[in-house]
Amino acid sequence: SQTIHQWPATLVQPVGSPLSLECTVEGTSNPNLYWYRQAAGRGLQLLFYSVGIGQISSEVPQNLSASRPQDRQFILSSKKLLLSDSGFYLCAWSVTETEAFFGQGTRLTVV
Amino acid sequence: AQSVTQLGSHVSVSEGALVLLRCNYSSSVPPYLFWYVQYPNQGLQLLLKYTSAATLVKGINGFEAEFKKSETSFHLTKPSAHMSDAAEYFCAVSEKKGYSTLTFGKGTMLLVSP
Repeated sequence: SQTIHQWPATLVQPVGSPLSLECTVEGTSNPNLYWYRQAAGRGLQLLFYSVGIGQISSEVPQNLSASRPQDRQFILSSKKLLLSDSGFYLCAWSVTETEAFFGQGTRLTVV
Repeated sequence: AQSVTQLGSHVSVSEGALVLLRCNYSSSVPPYLFWYVQYPNQGLQLLLKYTSAATLVKGINGFEAEFKKSETSFHLTKPSAHMSDAAEYFCAVSEKKGYSTLTFGKGTMLLVSP
C-alpha cells in the first residue's frame, strides 16, 4: 500500500534562518507531488506541484522553493524565513487527477 | 479559474441532529468536487468525491453530498451527527488536467455538542 511521510511534525525557526521540509512517498511510482500551506482562516493554498523528477511548477510567488531530486521525494526550502512563512505545510501525492493523498503535515512557527 | 466558497466558518449541531455543510464552486469547465476532513494537527482525509458519475455521492462515516450543476453547489450532509464528527471540513474543486489541481475553500469547523 502507498504511504506518505512528512517530517518534521513541528518546527520552530528564527526569522532569517533556512528551512528544509522533506516528503517521501512509498508504494507508488512517478507520483504527482504537491506542497500546500494552510494559514489560519485562509484554507489551503497550493504552493508547488511536480509531475516528474526535476519538474517544479510554482503556483504563487513567495519566499519558498521546491525541489524533486528523486521520483518519490519532494523538498520544500527557504534560504531565509519570514514571519509570514508560519503555517501548516502539507505534502500530497496523486497518480490520477481525481484523488490526492495528504501527509500529516508540518507545523512551522517562525519567531 | 476555479474557486470554492464555504458558507459559515463554524457550524454547531447537537449529537443526533442533521449535519449540513454548504459549498458552492466556480469553474470554467466541468469540475471534480471533493470533501476532505481534517482533525487537529493532522493531514486531510478524503470523505467523498464527485467525478461526473452519479450526482449523489456517498462517502465514509455516513456522509454524502449532492452535485447540483444548476446551483453550482456540492453540499455535504449527514443524517445524524456523532461526537466524533467534530473536525474541520474542506470543500475542494479540481479541473481535469491529468494531475490534481485542488482549490480549497476556507473550511468549516463542525462543532458537535452532547
